[in-house]
Order: sequence, then C-alpha cells, then structure tokens
Amino acid sequence: EPEVTQTPSHQVTQMGQEVILRCVPISNHLYFYWYRQILGQKVEFLVSFYNNEISEKSEIFDDQFSVERPDGSNFTLKIRSTKLEDSAMYFCASSEELTEAFFGQGTRLTVV
Amino acid sequence: ILNVEQSPQSLHVQEGDSTNFTCSFPSSNFYALHWYRWETAKSPEALFVMTLNGDEKKKGRISATLNTKEGYSYLYIKGSQPEDSATYLCAFTGGGNKLTFGTGTQLKVEL
Repeated sequence: EPEVTQTPSHQVTQMGQEVILRCVPISNHLYFYWYRQILGQKVEFLVSFYNNEISEKSEIFDDQFSVERPDGSNFTLKIRSTKLEDSAMYFCASSEELTEAFFGQGTRLTVV
Repeated sequence: ILNVEQSPQSLHVQEGDSTNFTCSFPSSNFYALHWYRWETAKSPEALFVMTLNGDEKKKGRISATLNTKEGYSYLYIKGSQPEDSATYLCAFTGGGNKLTFGTGTQLKVEL
C-alpha cells in the first residue's frame, strides 16, 4: 500500500542551525502539506503546496521556513535558523484533489 | 482564525461500551469535514471525509454524521474495544486546501 515516508525520524539540532526535513509523498498525489504538533498542543497547519508553488501558508510559516520539491519525488521543509520553540513533531501529508490527506510517520525535531 | 473544537477532551470507557464525541466547526464556507484516528507513535489515519449535509459514513463499528447547517459532526464507536484507544481528530476544510484540526478527543478503552 502506498505511503508517505519521512526522514529522519528524529533530529536533534543546536539553536541557530539549519535543518531540512524530508518527505516522499504518495506518487500520484498533487497536494502536499506540512503540519506540526508541539508537545501537548494541537496539530497546526504550516503550509500547502500545489503545482510547484505554495498555495497556502499559516502565520507560523515565516521567513525562516521554506519548502521545495527539488526532484519531483521529495518534498522538503527547511528551517533556516532553528529556535527552541521550533521543537515539535513535523508531519508531512499528501492528497489527491482536496480529499483525505495521508500522513507520514513524522519527524521529531528537538532544538537544544 | 477558524475554530474547530472537539469534546470531550478525553474519555475513558469500558470494553463493550458505545461512545460518541463531537466536532464543531464554522458553518459558513464549508467544503469538507475529515475524521482521523491517531494512535500513539503512528501517523494520523483517515477514517472519513464528509462533504454533504446529512452525510452518514460507517466503517465497521465506527460511524460519523454531519450537520453543516449547524456546524457539527458526531463520531460514534459501537462496542468499544481496547484497540480503539487512540486520539480522534476532526479537521475542517473551507474552500481552500488546508485542513484545520481540532484538539482531538483522547479515547481510552479499558478491559
């Protein structure tokens, strides 16, 4: 069964460092998403991506964040200069046109 | 800011009990309401996507209803089993392609 895969599963980084979180969405899906969940809080939308550009982004998704689909299969989230408050589980998801989203297993990011 | 709320926040039931919980969402600009099941250490798994007022969906012992006019959806679990223990998330889509999630209902089914 096709699935969304994310790497790494855990990432520990020093404050101020750049991190890249990687996702391989389901191959025939057209919409891609990043969500995050800070421990004990609700799942928050970061960004959606369609047709090689950002279609929506939240107020969380500031200039420190960027997304890319560099090679037609990977979908990456880059955080340029990590802050302590960026520590969270980051989930990638993909969907066909506006249907249910399929989520990856998540990357736990810890900023120290 | 869209408000998607779920209640109760957590629920403990005995094996065999039937249970239900609520998701409320903005009734204007509605496109779809999703229910996801999220087990610890796994990724959220889609249960239902509902788009029409009055929709009822069923998957095994789990079913859901939708009222878009008043902005709520109910999820029902009949004869709860320990493997039903999970967090149940609803998510609202209002015309864009962004899912706005509720805070979830954490269900624990005890033997």
